Amino acid sequence: QQQVKQSPQSLIVQKGGISIINCAYENTAFDYFPWYQQFPGKGPALLIAIRPDVSEKKEGRFTISFNKSAKQFSLHIMDSQPGDSATYFCAASSGSSYKLIFGSGTRLLVRP
Amino acid sequence: DGGITQSPKYLFRKEGQNVTLSCEQNLNHDAMYWYRQDPGQGLRLIYYSQIVNDFQKGDIAEGYSVSREKKESFPLTVTSAQKNPTAFYLCASSFQHTANTEAFFGQGTRLTVV
Repeated sequence: QQQVKQSPQSLIVQKGGISIINCAYENTAFDYFPWYQQFPGKGPALLIAIRPDVSEKKEGRFTISFNKSAKQFSLHIMDSQPGDSATYFCAASSGSSYKLIFGSGTRLLVRP
Repeated sequence: DGGITQSPKYLFRKEGQNVTLSCEQNLNHDAMYWYRQDPGQGLRLIYYSQIVNDFQKGDIAEGYSVSREKKESFPLTVTSAQKNPTAFYLCASSFQHTANTEAFFGQGTRLTVV
């Protein structure tokens, strides 16, 4: 129930293309869904986050889509750039416990 | 600058030794966390602390110990009981009791058993 399942494990996209990463969860108490970006040898950094009262949130080229009934959320990276090449983690937490539960990560490679 | 600092960046441990990883934050965050990262397995929670002098086990606490004597500091000791300690260790912190539970991460410590 505490798991967050993430797919795909790896993704290769051409420059200018759309990158899509999906996550699914079981625990309906989760009420905060962030995405983190991690470059090699660095700690993850918050990219964008959403709460279940909205179905979509956009920040620049990054969009989270949230489907509460399906218990799924996804990250869309529009006009993907080589600098976006990194590992992306989805996560979830609930108000009763502030610890984040992370997905297994997706290694994104954007080819020039 | 405000942030979260982990040291050392690289650490080598001999079999049977205990080692301590440092984590310090000056963000005035209440909560602090330790995660372990292995290739292809994401981030797994080792221990977390929501307040000084209190901490809880995460999903993989066996072979690890922590203390939280100061709000700013949350050191992690990897004991000889940890059978496979080679990994990338990440410390994080966040506010409690707010709508924004963004976690800020340190740069990590890579521990290798030699």
